[in-house]
Amino acid sequence: DAKTTQPTSMDCAEGRAANLPCNHSTISGNEYVYWYRQIHSQGPQYIIHGLKNNETNEMASLIITEDRKSSTLILPHATLRDTAVYYCIVRGNSGGSNYKLTFGKGTLLTVNP
Amino acid sequence: DTAVSQTPKYLVTQMGNDKSIKCEQNLGHDTMYWYKQDSKKFLKIMFSYNNKELIINETVPNRFSPKSPDKAHLNLHINSLELGDSAVYFCASSPLAGVPNEQFFGPGTRLTVL
Repeated sequence: DAKTTQPTSMDCAEGRAANLPCNHSTISGNEYVYWYRQIHSQGPQYIIHGLKNNETNEMASLIITEDRKSSTLILPHATLRDTAVYYCIVRGNSGGSNYKLTFGKGTLLTVNP
Repeated sequence: DTAVSQTPKYLVTQMGNDKSIKCEQNLGHDTMYWYKQDSKKFLKIMFSYNNKELIINETVPNRFSPKSPDKAHLNLHINSLELGDSAVYFCASSPLAGVPNEQFFGPGTRLTVL
C-alpha cells in the first residue's frame, strides 16, 4: 500500500468547515483513497472513499487532485462530536494484502466551541 | 441492533493464561478482520477471513489463533498471554474482500495482561 502523510493535529471552530489534507504521492492507478475516523475509545468509523472523482455523502466530501497525489476531506459544518483522529488510507482492491487497511498516525481534529 | 459486536468489552488476566475474544456480525458480510491497537494508538491488521477462509495473516505470533465457525463469527484465541499483548483488539467486517467497500468495526475489547 502507498504511504500517506497527514498533519498530526488540527483545530476547527464549531460550525465551520474542517478541511483535512492528505498527501499520497506514490499512489498507484488502481488504489483508492479511504477516510476513517476514530472517536476516543470507540472503533474506527468509515467516512468516505474515492478513486479519482470527487465524492460526497451525508458525512463529508472528498476532493482528490487531478494527479491523485493528494486529497482533502471536508466536514462542511463541524460539531463537537466530530472531534476524533482522522485516518487517510490508500488501499488497492485486488487480492491478498490489498484487502487490509493500513492505518497511519492520522490527524487529531479538535473541534472547539 | 449492533452490527459488529465483541465480547468481552474488558478482559483482565494474568500472564501465561489462555483467553478468547468473540466477534459476531449481523450484517451478512463475507469478510471479517482482527486489528490490534497498542498503547501508542497504532492500529494494525492481524488476520482476515473471507467466507471462513484465512486470507490475511500478518506477522502475528502463533500464540494467536483465529477461528471462524461460520462467516458471521470470527473469534480470537490467545495462548500463553504476555505483557505485550495488552492492547485494544477490534473486530471488523466488510461485504466483499477485494471490492472497494467500507469496513464496519466493533467497539473493541481492552485486554490487560498483569
